[in-house]
Amino acid sequence: GAGVSQSPSNKVTEKGKDVELRCDPISGHTALYWYRQSLGQGLEFLIYFQGNSAPDKSGLPSDRFSAERTGGSVSTLTIQRTQQEDSAVYLCASSPRGDSHAETQYFGPGTRLLVL
Amino acid sequence: GESVGLHLPTLSVQEGDNSIINCAYSNSASDYFIWYKQESGKGPQFIIDIRSNMDKRQGQRVTVLLNKTVKHLSLQIAATQPGDSAVYFCAETLTGGGNKLTFGTGTQLKVEL
Repeated sequence: GAGVSQSPSNKVTEKGKDVELRCDPISGHTALYWYRQSLGQGLEFLIYFQGNSAPDKSGLPSDRFSAERTGGSVSTLTIQRTQQEDSAVYLCASSPRGDSHAETQYFGPGTRLLVL
Repeated sequence: GESVGLHLPTLSVQEGDNSIINCAYSNSASDYFIWYKQESGKGPQFIIDIRSNMDKRQGQRVTVLLNKTVKHLSLQIAATQPGDSAVYFCAETLTGGGNKLTFGTGTQLKVEL
């Protein structure tokens, strides 16, 4: 079956512009996660959605970052007034239920964001 | 605080040899661990996981060992193949910590022909 998909695969933007990154989770998966991977670094948790519960936003680095998940499926991560330090690979993952911390998360290919 | 770290940033092995990638964690409340493989330009791919009530788990050519006493995790790859060349990450979650994965910085595995 289809895995997690993300778009665009690459995005180049100018400092100060807003960007939107999209994630389509695996069909039927309830939970959706966003992570950021900076050059040569591990993955950093950003935000987590599970069903109709309030999202866990504890990993968002600043108020310039926000995310939505409409209809319990597709999610959009928005970065406002981008800065050069926002350059990274943004990875989305999904899991079937999200009601257990011991559940495998399946990752998409990522969006590579470069802020000039 | 919680942290997951890797002992070796780069590991080179000969094709056909066994590979061992190590990982240390600091939070004794961590009870679920996952190994991911990430090839260049791709997202992390699930390899194997283990819960803290287990010491060992085997998959196809891979084995994960967990030593809770010293807070150490290892991934063993048998008969390493060129296709195994990638960055390997260990990650953890903990009871009551939500579903967020905490990742280490990764180990680059290079398979030499």
